[in-house]
Amino acid sequence: EPEVTQTPSHQVTQMGQEVILRCVPISNHLYFYWYRQILGQKVEFLVSFYNNEISEKSEIFDDQFSVERPDGSNFTLKIRSTKLEDSAMYFCASSGQGTGANVLTFGAGSRLTVL
Amino acid sequence: DQQVKQNSPSLSVQEGRISILNCDYTNSMFDYFLWYKKYPAEGPTFLISISSIKDKNEDGRFTVFLNKSAKHLSLHIVPSQPGDSAVYFCAASPYNQGGKLIFGQGTELSVKP
Repeated sequence: EPEVTQTPSHQVTQMGQEVILRCVPISNHLYFYWYRQILGQKVEFLVSFYNNEISEKSEIFDDQFSVERPDGSNFTLKIRSTKLEDSAMYFCASSGQGTGANVLTFGAGSRLTVL
Repeated sequence: DQQVKQNSPSLSVQEGRISILNCDYTNSMFDYFLWYKKYPAEGPTFLISISSIKDKNEDGRFTVFLNKSAKHLSLHIVPSQPGDSAVYFCAASPYNQGGKLIFGQGTELSVKP
């Protein structure tokens, strides 16, 4: 079964450092997303990406965050200068077309720990 | 932000019996609803969905019911199996914003043999 893969599974970084989380969405999907889950809290939408541009972003997705699809297969989330409160599990997801656009397939997540 | 609420943080059920997980929402602009299951150290896995134009959708042991007037949906699992033990998330998508899912807090289901 096709799956969304994410790397790294766990990253530990110092506050103020840049972090890049990587994702390989399902190959024939057209919509890409990042969500995060802070420990003990809800899964929260960060950003959606379609046709090489951001289609929607949440209040959380401020100037410290950026997304990119550099080579047609990878989809990355960059946090420019990490803060303690960025510690969370980050989930990449993708979805197809039509009614399939509503059904997201999630990756296993990348756990980010900011010290 | 409490647009999607799952008021029961946990539920324990005997194997073979019915599990009923509940979800309430406040935003009348939601037009698509989904249930995801999540095991520890894994991402959410899609289970079943329902459009706001329907009131029931069934897939094997899983049935989702939608009551739009009450802004309530429920997931029924029957018969429940030990492998169903996981955290279940209700999610809703606003009209014309497919893919932007608003999640509930989750309900941890434990199915005991």
